[in-house]
Amino acid sequence: KNEVEQSPQNLTAQEGEFITINCSYSVGISALHWLQQHPGGGIVSLFMLSSGKKKHGRLIATINIQEKHSSLHITASHPRDSAVYICAALPQGGSEKLVFGKGTKLTVNP
Amino acid sequence: DAGITQSPRHKVTETGTPVTLRCHQTENHRYMYWYRQDPGHGLRLIHYSYGVKDTDKGEVSDGYSVSRSKTEDFLLTLESATSSQTSVYFCAISESSWTGVGELFFGEGSRLTVL
Repeated sequence: KNEVEQSPQNLTAQEGEFITINCSYSVGISALHWLQQHPGGGIVSLFMLSSGKKKHGRLIATINIQEKHSSLHITASHPRDSAVYICAALPQGGSEKLVFGKGTKLTVNP
Repeated sequence: DAGITQSPRHKVTETGTPVTLRCHQTENHRYMYWYRQDPGHGLRLIHYSYGVKDTDKGEVSDGYSVSRSKTEDFLLTLESATSSQTSVYFCAISESSWTGVGELFFGEGSRLTVL
């Protein structure tokens, strides 16, 4: 069974700190998605990646396919980054069904 | 923002009644998904569609049915709602990519309470 594990489950940081959220998965994948769920409930896509690294503003996502691991980094964190961050893996083999982690709740204090 | 809307956004119903949630998109994306989100669980796939009249089950499909008669609409039906189906339901859409499923766009969610 393919599982996606995220760590930590909860993370509290001070404004300006560098944040790392980890995601590991148990089977080969085609791609991995990072999502952000705001306190109001809306979910937005941050990244979709299958190798290497992607950067958007203060957010950086990396993936190591061989080690079955991905990380989401936030530089110079801000209170508005407070949200739940979710990773989702797309298993290899033509699957169209993403497998989701349970999310990491990030709180950034001013 | 991707054009995806869910209705109703909030619904309270009684056990045993039928409920239909609607997901409407204006993006002409191929894939449409229904997920439920519950405390302690990640998003869990109920059903998805890969084209008009083409649907498949997800991991928690029991008690749910879906229909997609037009590209833009994906309906989720609870034939006889139970309290265990109290949840927040999210619709998502995606286009194909070379890796399979492309970027996901989510609706605002529909909060369903079954009394």
